Amino acid sequence: DQQVKQNSPSLSVQEGRISILNCDYTNSMFDYFLWYKKYPAEGPTFLISISSIKDKNEDGRFTVFLNKSAKHLSLHIVPSQPGDSAVYFCAASAKGRRALTFGSGTRLQVQP
Amino acid sequence: KAGVTQTPRYLIKTRGQQVTLSCSPISGHRSVSWYQQTPGQGLQFLFEYFSETQRNKGNFPGRFSGRQFSNSRSEMNVSTLELGDSALYLCASSDTGTGDYTEAFFGQGTRLTVV
Repeated sequence: DQQVKQNSPSLSVQEGRISILNCDYTNSMFDYFLWYKKYPAEGPTFLISISSIKDKNEDGRFTVFLNKSAKHLSLHIVPSQPGDSAVYFCAASAKGRRALTFGSGTRLQVQP
Repeated sequence: KAGVTQTPRYLIKTRGQQVTLSCSPISGHRSVSWYQQTPGQGLQFLFEYFSETQRNKGNFPGRFSGRQFSNSRSEMNVSTLELGDSALYLCASSDTGTGDYTEAFFGQGTRLTVV
């Protein structure tokens, strides 16, 4: 039972363009969402998060959008850079439960 | 300040043996969580400790256990190792006490191979 789904295993974009990574969730108890970036054989690196009381959060080139009615969130990276090439994980947490449920990840390749 | 430190980075064990992995959280962080990453199951939550007490537990068998010390350092133990326990084990720390969730910061992980 996948409670957090990233349906696109991979995404390729040109340098300078926008990258949009998507994530869907099924558990209505989730109220905090995070995006992590991961390189092979390393731990995930925190990128950006959003609380369920918001619908948008920005941090530099990264913006996360949350659509609670659709149980959908997305990460926008603008402009995309070759150094952004990595696997991106969406994660969610339910209030009072300090455990992250991760999606399966999307491999982003930014072409120079 | 220093990040999350996990030791050892790599480990090879034989089926049936037991293993102990160590995690030192970011200074001042009192919550430590453990995750298992495998190609088939992805990143899965094992358990979380806060102030030496296990607060949350994932769906793993009792062979997987952990503890946290008064200095917030944590260890996880896997007994009677099986081939399927081969994975990257990740530790994450956060300064979450009570209240809203905050982001967790991960270590580089321990790559365990069971042969």
